[in-house]
Amino acid sequence: DAKTTQPNSMESNEEEPVHLPCNHSTISGTDYIHWYRQLPSQGPEYVIHGLTSNVNNRMASLAIAEDRKSSTLILHRATLRDAAVYYCILRGNAGNNRKLIWGLGTSLAVNP
Amino acid sequence: GAGVSQSPRYKVAKRGQDVALRCDPISGHVSLFWYQQALGQGPEFLTYFQNEAQLDKSGLPSDRFFAERPEGSVSTLKIQRTQQEDSAVYLCASSLRRFGGETQYFGPGTRLLVL
Repeated sequence: DAKTTQPNSMESNEEEPVHLPCNHSTISGTDYIHWYRQLPSQGPEYVIHGLTSNVNNRMASLAIAEDRKSSTLILHRATLRDAAVYYCILRGNAGNNRKLIWGLGTSLAVNP
Repeated sequence: GAGVSQSPRYKVAKRGQDVALRCDPISGHVSLFWYQQALGQGPEFLTYFQNEAQLDKSGLPSDRFFAERPEGSVSTLKIQRTQQEDSAVYLCASSLRRFGGETQYFGPGTRLLVL
């Protein structure tokens, strides 16, 4: 199973942009890049996903490197409610290989 | 609309007891996943259902763990003869099966403590 590497923790100030990096050098051509986040004492929550092109939604943007070996989740204006553990995950798209393989994620702290 | 629900939210069991954890997925979602999350760790995959068919159970840690989804909706994860190392949060997720990347919607989890 492909793996991802993320910093253990990051810190940001409220209303500033946050760039959360993820390395996935062993990604295969059919792997999707998914980001989830988990607030304290809650189940994970979907944030965004992409394959090759950059993606935007109401929560965040996902910038994918041209060689797809890394990606960056961008929170445009961090709020206190964005404090969570952010997981970068590769998900296969072949047959029954749809399970998510999770790492330790990045714990984001947001300062007021 | 209603999201994924799990019950109970908290369960304390004595070592050796059997427990059953319930998951109600989002209506109409055909895929259902169970994950185990130890304290300070990311979730770990346990098993996957497509409708009532259990297509992947490679993550179940031992034969004490059993999951079912008999009618393709509600699922139950059963742990027999619980051990202290089974203490964790058990997460259920559901998703629509469609081509390409699919979003998994998670429930709040069941926190199991085995004494």
